[in-house]
Amino acid sequence: GEDVEQSLFLSVREGDSSVINCTYTDSSSTYLYWYKQEPGAGLQLLTYIFSNMDMKQDQRLTVLLNKKDKHLSLRIADTQTGDSAIYFCAEKGGQGGKLIFGQGTELSVKP
Amino acid sequence: EAQVTQNPRYLITVTGKKLTVTCSQNMNHEYMSWYRQDPGLGLRQIYYSMNVEVTDKGDVPEGYKVSRKEKRNFPLILESPSPNQTSLYFCASRPSGMGILETQYFGPGTRLLVL
Repeated sequence: GEDVEQSLFLSVREGDSSVINCTYTDSSSTYLYWYKQEPGAGLQLLTYIFSNMDMKQDQRLTVLLNKKDKHLSLRIADTQTGDSAIYFCAEKGGQGGKLIFGQGTELSVKP
Repeated sequence: EAQVTQNPRYLITVTGKKLTVTCSQNMNHEYMSWYRQDPGLGLRQIYYSMNVEVTDKGDVPEGYKVSRKEKRNFPLILESPSPNQTSLYFCASRPSGMGILETQYFGPGTRLLVL
């Protein structure tokens, strides 16, 4: 069945780059997403990538997709304390086009 | 403002006491769904609805009911809550298309504690 896996925690220093990794199993997924959840808030779409792309850059965010290995990563350049949040990767698949989420990676940014 | 609202935001209840969490969206979206978020498990879909009067089970439907009598509302009903339903619940909605931009908009979440 469909499955999305992420590591649970990542800690970086302010100004460093953060890399959050995700693996997925459904090779038919056409869209892959990154969502951000700030403390006490719902999920907000951060960025997305089509499965026929290898890379997408959006300001400080870079998404890399290795379709052969089913590996997705989110790089945040010059990480700031405001980037502290839980980051979820998700693929669109299954019945009705539902989103299948990873466990979420809690990013902690230390000053 | 386009949004998904949920009520209540926080709820403490006791085992067996029926409760309803409301969800409403003002974007005229056809598709609505409910997720629960638990530590280490991410978000898991409980139920979804493709349109009015059309609902279907997600991955973890046991112990939950939903209804979709109107397009804007999609309440989640726990007929007899149990402690294992203590969780953070999110309602989401999106247009019915399958394209990239038809991503989901999430409500602010409802934190439920069942004693």
